[in-house]
Amino acid sequence: QLVLTQSPSASASLGASVKLTCTLSSAQSSYAIAWHQQQPEKGPRYLMKLNSDGSHTKGDGIPDRFSGSSSGAERYLTISSLQSEDEADYYCQTWDTGIRVFGGGTKLTVL
Amino acid sequence: QVQLVQSGAEVKKPGASVKVSCKASGYAFTSSGINWVRQAPGQGLEWVGWISPYNGDRDYAQKFQDRVTLTTDTSATTAYMELRSLRSDDTAVYYCARGRQDFHYWGQGTLVTVSS
Repeated sequence: QLVLTQSPSASASLGASVKLTCTLSSAQSSYAIAWHQQQPEKGPRYLMKLNSDGSHTKGDGIPDRFSGSSSGAERYLTISSLQSEDEADYYCQTWDTGIRVFGGGTKLTVL
Repeated sequence: QVQLVQSGAEVKKPGASVKVSCKASGYAFTSSGINWVRQAPGQGLEWVGWISPYNGDRDYAQKFQDRVTLTTDTSATTAYMELRSLRSDDTAVYYCARGRQDFHYWGQGTLVTVSS
């Protein structure tokens, strides 16, 4: 069973940093994931692919403020110098043979 | 630049079928697969299936396996998703997204409304 768990909500102040978490099941702790951003009333946008060793490859035009890291079965998305346009839903996503799965998403509020 | 342009909104009655298109440009169409993802109102993202324009290989989410067909027209660089036996809970925005495992580029979405 391929499952990704995300907290439903998070908040942080303008200009601060925030770290969002996506948790894989322990059996899948070596899996890579992807992070996607969905701003209000818009379609999703690919942010990055994040490997289990913390290395990551960002999508086209993704600012340096976005970074990823990993620890065990947890995958993190860190956004620094928060801007108002970072207020969005953030989804993690992973895959296995014949299947792709999304986490439930985290709604980030920028205060 | 890579672009995925989807067909317009659809309104269908329960039991009908819908076919959504996704026109790709800016890259070699057969070099990368196309995934379909849907999002019901106020809900999260749900994977529907994947197709390879190169060889026609497909993966379908078990939930949709009996009702969805993914196809491509390589001459038109277009992918299609057909969903049959529509129900009210199929009302959602349907997205195409380029990639095999992770989805690097997304279409703008197509709203499919199922209502009697």
